[in-house]
Amino acid sequence: GAVVSQHPSRVICKSGTSVKIECRSLDFQATTMFWYRQFPKQSLMLMATSNEGSKATYEQGVEKDKFLINHASLTLSTLTVTSAHPEDSSFYICSAREATGTKGTDTQYFGPGTRLTVL
Amino acid sequence: AQSVTQLGSHVSVSEGALVLLRCNYSSSVPPYLFWYVQYPNQGLQLLLKYTTGATLVKGINGFEAEFKKSETSFHLTKPSAHMSDAAEYFCAVKTGGFKTIFGAGTRLFVKA
Repeated sequence: GAVVSQHPSRVICKSGTSVKIECRSLDFQATTMFWYRQFPKQSLMLMATSNEGSKATYEQGVEKDKFLINHASLTLSTLTVTSAHPEDSSFYICSAREATGTKGTDTQYFGPGTRLTVL
Repeated sequence: AQSVTQLGSHVSVSEGALVLLRCNYSSSVPPYLFWYVQYPNQGLQLLLKYTTGATLVKGINGFEAEFKKSETSFHLTKPSAHMSDAAEYFCAVKTGGFKTIFGAGTRLFVKA
């Protein structure tokens, strides 16, 4: 089946630095990728929807200048957490949509997640 | 707007017992419904999905779910729990667009 990878799996950084997380679809082309954030023992919160070659669409309350998303190719999307602070510590999960023609029935494949810890 | 409610943040069953995880949804249009499983520090894995057609959907690892429009439910079941089923389970809904809305999750504990 389709595989989505994320890199790195874990990252620890100092407050004020920026961190980039990569999301790749390994054996399919993903015109749309999604970035989620998950706090401990909570559900996934959609942060933004990223379409290849265009600007990402951010959910209400998500700071686009803090969470920079780039979807430069059909297999790669990146999330950069700029000037990270301890409250940004979380589990970030990306998802890629494998287009099958009908939006509603398309399957989303999820990456393994990236654990970000900001000291 | 669509929403998902998972009844019970924790469910505990004995090994070999029936697993029942409840999910109710709210949607103004016919929904597409999903169940995902998440193991610790991992991403989500699709268990099964309902789009159209047969309302009883079979998924991986022996799980199945039934779409009941009259009850706006999509409960997940497995006849016999295995220790390896212990994980977090998320019900999700999508209504034709790209966005998937997740429930709060139910953690399944399996006792030996």
